[in-house]
Amino acid sequence: DGGITQSPKYLFRKEGQNVTLSCEQNLNHDAMYWYRQDPGQGLRLIYYSQIVNDFQKGDIAEGYSVSREKKESFPLTVTSAQKNPTAFYLCASSMDRAIVNQPQHFGDGTRLSIL
Amino acid sequence: AQKITQTQPGMFVQEKEAVTLDCTYDTSDPSYGLFWYKQPSSGEMIFLIYQGSYDQQNATEGRYSLNFQKARKSANLVISASQLGDSAMYFCAMRAPGGGADGLTFGKGTHLIIQP
Repeated sequence: DGGITQSPKYLFRKEGQNVTLSCEQNLNHDAMYWYRQDPGQGLRLIYYSQIVNDFQKGDIAEGYSVSREKKESFPLTVTSAQKNPTAFYLCASSMDRAIVNQPQHFGDGTRLSIL
Repeated sequence: AQKITQTQPGMFVQEKEAVTLDCTYDTSDPSYGLFWYKQPSSGEMIFLIYQGSYDQQNATEGRYSLNFQKARKSANLVISASQLGDSAMYFCAMRAPGGGADGLTFGKGTHLIIQP
């Protein structure tokens, strides 16, 4: 079955530590996205990528970094500069970012907490 | 700037009744898409239904339909014959190509609880 796989499901970070969240898709989608969700809130866009080796900042990119070396993979690193990283992180993909009616398909999310 | 407003933080509905979840939006783009997603307690986001700004008819997908009123900038989700499994968070989202950073703009969601 095609889909988006996020790992790990739960992640704990120590102060001053960088952690990387994995996102892999086998839908052959060009565009991939990272969102952050805080309790009682909607999703906010962190980074997005339209194509391999290209990515753009979203609304809340500070303290995060990404890479897109392969079409299937879009890992997110939460750096020590992110002072409030506790949240639920969702990865998504869509066939073509230029087409407005393309829905984004989401992974099951990673819940990040501070130790 | 794009904005989605969902004014109902929570709703309780009896099983088998119809439910309307409100969504209003704001954008200056003439071309945009409106999406509804369901988020169960497990966390995944499930795509439900889409409405395009130029679509002449309201979208329908099984028990889900979208009451699209363009002049009022509203895109309410209607769930007919609600079921216990419909209990979840529901998010309205919008995508507009000229909105700056690509991606979906989400509302804060409505927590729907279906009671037996």
